Amino acid sequence: DSGVTQTPKHLITATGQRVTLRCSPRSGDLSVYWYQQSLDQGLQFLIQYYNGEERAKGNILERFSAQQFPDLHSELNLSSLELGDSALYFCASSQLGLAGGTQYFGPGTRLLVL
Amino acid sequence: QKEVEQDPGPLSVPEGAIVSLNCTYSNSAFQYFMWYRQYSRKGPELLMYTYSSGNKEDGRFTAQVDKSSKYISLFIRDSQPSDSATYLCAMSATGNQFYFGTGTSLTVIP
Repeated sequence: DSGVTQTPKHLITATGQRVTLRCSPRSGDLSVYWYQQSLDQGLQFLIQYYNGEERAKGNILERFSAQQFPDLHSELNLSSLELGDSALYFCASSQLGLAGGTQYFGPGTRLLVL
Repeated sequence: QKEVEQDPGPLSVPEGAIVSLNCTYSNSAFQYFMWYRQYSRKGPELLMYTYSSGNKEDGRFTAQVDKSSKYISLFIRDSQPSDSATYLCAMSATGNQFYFGTGTSLTVIP
């Protein structure tokens, strides 16, 4: 158990819908990262937050948005869902948000868009 | 061209074998290099971290970085069935945005 929690574990929804994925980092970790993992694309970095502020942005679609709240939990919002958005979504946290600082990954949310 | 290329395998070896996993990359600005292990689509677990070039050893695992060739490797000695997993390489230039390989699936046969 990494100490990072993600909810829900599984999510099934329809195209065009909107969903919210939630992540609680390890106690004391200030930085949260979101990743998307699909079979053909591997693990894709989406976005990083550090202590409530956006720190880095990767291949995140405009239909997706995220935020980190004062209690440091984070939410990833996915809207106008398409079939291709079906994937595993991982959240990871680290203490300082620096490379080499260990990123601890949560168990992931498996999203299926029908 | 992808930022990071990794042979997806699958790779199957007998128990006790030495395993070599590799990634190549195109961005010469990468300076942070990591290897993760992922079991059955669970969250990846950090195995090794290397900054810039050189070697790093931790138990049965050795990570090598050759920046001149844009090539990194992970060696697993005395491989065990419990090492059966997908191994992901990851790298970053800034320490914020990370680029992952697609993963190599490894099976160690008892």
